[in-house]
Amino acid sequence: SQTIHQWPATLVQPVGSPLSLECTVEGTSNPNLYWYRQAAGRGLQLLFYSVGIGQISSEVPQNLSASRPQDRQFILSSKKLLLSDSGFYLCAWSGDSQRNSPLHFGNGTRLTVT
Amino acid sequence: GESVGLHLPTLSVQEGDNSIINCAYSNSASDYFIWYKQESGKGPQFIIDIRSNMDKRQGQRVTVLLNKTVKHLSLQIAATQPGDSAVYFCAENGGSYIPTFGRGTSLIVHP
Repeated sequence: SQTIHQWPATLVQPVGSPLSLECTVEGTSNPNLYWYRQAAGRGLQLLFYSVGIGQISSEVPQNLSASRPQDRQFILSSKKLLLSDSGFYLCAWSGDSQRNSPLHFGNGTRLTVT
Repeated sequence: GESVGLHLPTLSVQEGDNSIINCAYSNSASDYFIWYKQESGKGPQFIIDIRSNMDKRQGQRVTVLLNKTVKHLSLQIAATQPGDSAVYFCAENGGSYIPTFGRGTSLIVHP
């Protein structure tokens, strides 16, 4: 069966520090991968998505970036965190070539920028 | 569009009652719709989906209704239990790989 792993679960970082959040998927190949951010009590904001290795699409301009160095690995990064980067970051995957398939989410990383 | 910038509406029900959570969508090209449940501190979990060639789909204690005429989607939960307390999101595929999520509804079940 397919599983998705995100780490760390929680993170407290000072303003201006770098960020690296990692997400890996097991049990499937060539998944579509997504990074979402969720502010407290709010909906889901799509940050990046990827349909293949090295292919990243950005949905909103920001100081975050994403990379997909391997088929089932998706990384969210920042060189210098801002206070506004605080939030709940969710990684998700969906089946390749399956437009009509649900997203499967990890359990998220709670990021607090101080 | 994205479901950001708005606080979540809340539905409060008594344990044992039926719950109905509603969602409006806007993209006529959407042909696939999904409901997710998000418990506190966790990622959203898939509950049930429906394709546009159907009006109704039933799962275990859940039913999704789709009205394409008025672009409306609903999730019905029968005999609501305290464990059903969560935030529920609808999503539409908009004819692409990128789903558009609704704003979410917080369901509170009182014992």
